[in-house]
Amino acid sequence: DAGITQSPRYKITETGRQVTLMCHQTWSHSYMFWYRQDLGHGLRLIYYSAAADITDKGEVSDGYVVSRSKTENFPLTLESATRSQTSVYFCASSESPPGAYGYTFGSGTRLTVV
Amino acid sequence: GEDVEQSLFLSVREGDSSVINCTYTDSSSTYLYWYKQEPGAGLQLLTYIFSNMDMKQDQRLTVLLNKKDKHLSLRIADTQTGDSAIYFCAEGDNQGGKLIFGQGTELSVKP
Repeated sequence: DAGITQSPRYKITETGRQVTLMCHQTWSHSYMFWYRQDLGHGLRLIYYSAAADITDKGEVSDGYVVSRSKTENFPLTLESATRSQTSVYFCASSESPPGAYGYTFGSGTRLTVV
Repeated sequence: GEDVEQSLFLSVREGDSSVINCTYTDSSSTYLYWYKQEPGAGLQLLTYIFSNMDMKQDQRLTVLLNKKDKHLSLRIADTQTGDSAIYFCAEGDNQGGKLIFGQGTELSVKP
């Protein structure tokens, strides 16, 4: 199916564990993004990627790692999960520049760190 | 740096018009966007306006852009309970691919 998919939809993990959130898009969009959404903070950019093998930090990148070996995939890894990383995570993709279509968002992953 | 600001909450009665406001800072933005987020879902693009336009109308939605004041608004006519959601405005920054989002306005529509 065409689109942008995130997995898992829900995840509970323990403090200190490594966890990876997956994002896959089928449009061959060059740009991909990871955001977290928390009450009172809106959307905050974690990492973005302009193309395969090109990634850059956003405003809240500490504790997160990304990779982009293929254009269509952009996994986000929490190296050692902390309770402050409990959040809803959204992946997005876009053409470059976004133009009239803006970003297309996935449905999100709700992560709880206990 | 770039910043986008919105009020956090708006409550209206069903059938009334809703106006959600947004201010932005980057005068070089080519497109400005409105996204809608329903509970438990991702953000969906609602509409956009090209920076050389003052107004765009799309069925019940009217977008107004005041470039002098860097002010963007979204008017929803005949607001319905199904319009209850969080609305985000966003501007394209001057570095290619990144959009800058506001904090979102939670619209509550009461019957």
